[in-house]
Amino acid sequence: EPEVTQTPSHQVTQMGQEVILRCVPISNHLYFYWYRQILGQKVEFLVSFYNNEISEKSEIFDDQFSVERPDGSNFTLKIRSTKLEDSAMYFCASINPTGGSRPYFGPGTRLTVL
Amino acid sequence: DAKTTQPNSMESNEEEPVHLPCNHSTISGTDYIHWYRQLPSQGPEYVIHGLTSNVNNRMASLAIAEDRKSSTLILHRATLRDAAVYYCILRRGSSGNTPLVFGKGTRLSVIA
Repeated sequence: EPEVTQTPSHQVTQMGQEVILRCVPISNHLYFYWYRQILGQKVEFLVSFYNNEISEKSEIFDDQFSVERPDGSNFTLKIRSTKLEDSAMYFCASINPTGGSRPYFGPGTRLTVL
Repeated sequence: DAKTTQPNSMESNEEEPVHLPCNHSTISGTDYIHWYRQLPSQGPEYVIHGLTSNVNNRMASLAIAEDRKSSTLILHRATLRDAAVYYCILRRGSSGNTPLVFGKGTRLSVIA
């Protein structure tokens, strides 16, 4: 079965630093998503991306966050100046939007902000 | 988004069938019923989804009520590896972009 991949699996950074989380969606998928999960809490939607632009974002996705599809295969989430509360698992997902299709999730990146 | 209601937790004995209920009384005609699960320290994993008819796959079965206001995920023979949080989520099928919105799900414990 096709897979969404994410790198790195674990990222440790100092507060205030910029981080970039990377995802490789499934090749024929057109919609891409980022989610996060703070330890012990539910999975939260951050942003969806289609046709090289953000199509929907949650209130969590503020100016500190940005997304990009730089080369037609990677999909990245950048956090400009990390805060302690950004420590979480970040999941990427993608979908081929035919009727009744379903999103595929990656294994996640654990971000630890010190 | 249409909401779903699930029990916070359930317990099952190993090798017994498990029926995980989900209520979605405000479901609309184009909403698909998706079930995902999350094993400890892993990402959400697709289990099954359906629209109106019952569905079967290698992981589970999905029984959908005739009025579509509730559904049940059936694990035919629970194993210790099935211990996870199970999420019942409605997703509008007509819109390719609609993200999944996760609730708290049902935490399933499997006892050996």
